[in-house]
Amino acid sequence: AQKITQTQPGMFVQEKEAVTLDCTYDTSDQSYGLFWYKQPSSGEMIFLIYQGSYDEQNATEGRYSLNFQKARKSANLVISASQLGDSAMYFCAMREGSNSGYALNFGKGTSLLVTP
Amino acid sequence: GAGVSQSPSNKVTEKGKDVELRCDPISGHTALYWYRQRLGQGLEFLIYFQGNSAPDKSGLPSDRFSAERTGESVSTLTIQRTQQEDSAVYLCASSSPRGFREKLFFGSGTQLSVL
Repeated sequence: AQKITQTQPGMFVQEKEAVTLDCTYDTSDQSYGLFWYKQPSSGEMIFLIYQGSYDEQNATEGRYSLNFQKARKSANLVISASQLGDSAMYFCAMREGSNSGYALNFGKGTSLLVTP
Repeated sequence: GAGVSQSPSNKVTEKGKDVELRCDPISGHTALYWYRQRLGQGLEFLIYFQGNSAPDKSGLPSDRFSAERTGESVSTLTIQRTQQEDSAVYLCASSSPRGFREKLFFGSGTQLSVL
């Protein structure tokens, strides 16, 4: 079964606007961590933000914030004030408590295009 | 080195040949991961090494795939009798096992093309 679901294959946003990239996850563990990575056309994987299942506050890192809704098992990435350089693939990933230290399970990704 | 280093960056091979992909993790990182990314797809977990523990090979797609790591250093991913469906980018990542929040640092990948 798919652990991480990203339902938006592609998204468009105008420069300076905010955009939300959806991510839902499936786990029966109480302890888990959620990650977002960015992959520009160059192919490198860039870590953006982390949210722990027990974190009371939604994570924020600069223009990135995570809308964490535990009961809905969703961890949507919000990018504020989009820039042209934000155009990239975005991947949501999860590490489960039963597999501490284990690999991250990645979703299929969302392609974001920021237009002028 | 400062980051995760992978070589070669590109590899073109003929169907049926064996290939070896190399990953040099960040110094001091005890955890090392291999992922496969097919064109336009997400990352598919292949194998995970943690220190001297037995590796987690649960993601290897067939017995043609194998990987080795000596201690906490270089890892080699070997694909025997390559098939066209093996064409993909193979990404290596390493991390320091400080706990649940440990993020993965990725290499630039090896683009494998099987003709």
